[in-house]
Amino acid sequence: GESVGLHLPTLSVQEGDNSIINCAYSNSASDYFIWYKQESGKGPQFIIDIRSNMDKRQGQRVTVLLNKTVKHLSLQIAATQPGDSAVYFCAEKAAGNKLTFGGGTRVLVKP
Amino acid sequence: GAVVSQHPSWVICKSGTSVKIECRSLDFQATTMFWYRQFPKQSLMLMATSNEGSKATYEQGVEKDKFLINHASLTLSTLTVTSAHPEDSSFYICSARDYSGQYTNYGYTFGSGTRLTVV
Repeated sequence: GESVGLHLPTLSVQEGDNSIINCAYSNSASDYFIWYKQESGKGPQFIIDIRSNMDKRQGQRVTVLLNKTVKHLSLQIAATQPGDSAVYFCAEKAAGNKLTFGGGTRVLVKP
Repeated sequence: GAVVSQHPSWVICKSGTSVKIECRSLDFQATTMFWYRQFPKQSLMLMATSNEGSKATYEQGVEKDKFLINHASLTLSTLTVTSAHPEDSSFYICSARDYSGQYTNYGYTFGSGTRLTVV
């Protein structure tokens, strides 16, 4: 069920700096992971994904790192811009089709 | 890329009435769709998995008689919140999965969400 009174952790970053967002996932059987960006009042937007047979994947200004030993996922955003301000969620897929979402991190870019 | 359209984007209804939310895959066929609920400052919680032509699979704690899901075609799933109450007020989001393999993100595409307010 939902957690009452949960507050999203916030990462404040200066414009132009790099951001690192972390996520601990729960299921060691998960074979696919996705990072999503969600702006206020909108649905999640795909950023980057990684399969469990990889430990790093790079996109445009973003890099995802996967450490299966400690069940940890991170998203690195290079040269963070004001448009990057949003809530970021990691999601994992285990057997079947369901995606399970992490708690989310709010990124606030300061000019 | 794959596009999922969700309608309406917001709705206000009176307590005790029912509300229907539509989720359409616009440029691909989605044999599987998912419905999520999101409360303010919280993550997305999966409510149910909708399979075309068969009954939906509900997550533990989600009342299937209250949240009716119909997936009658490969491009449309609907969620009906029956006898809505103020505690049902939330942001409802659908996701559709494309199995064609033409999109990179394993086919999970999300709609823009529906803000339901029950007064």
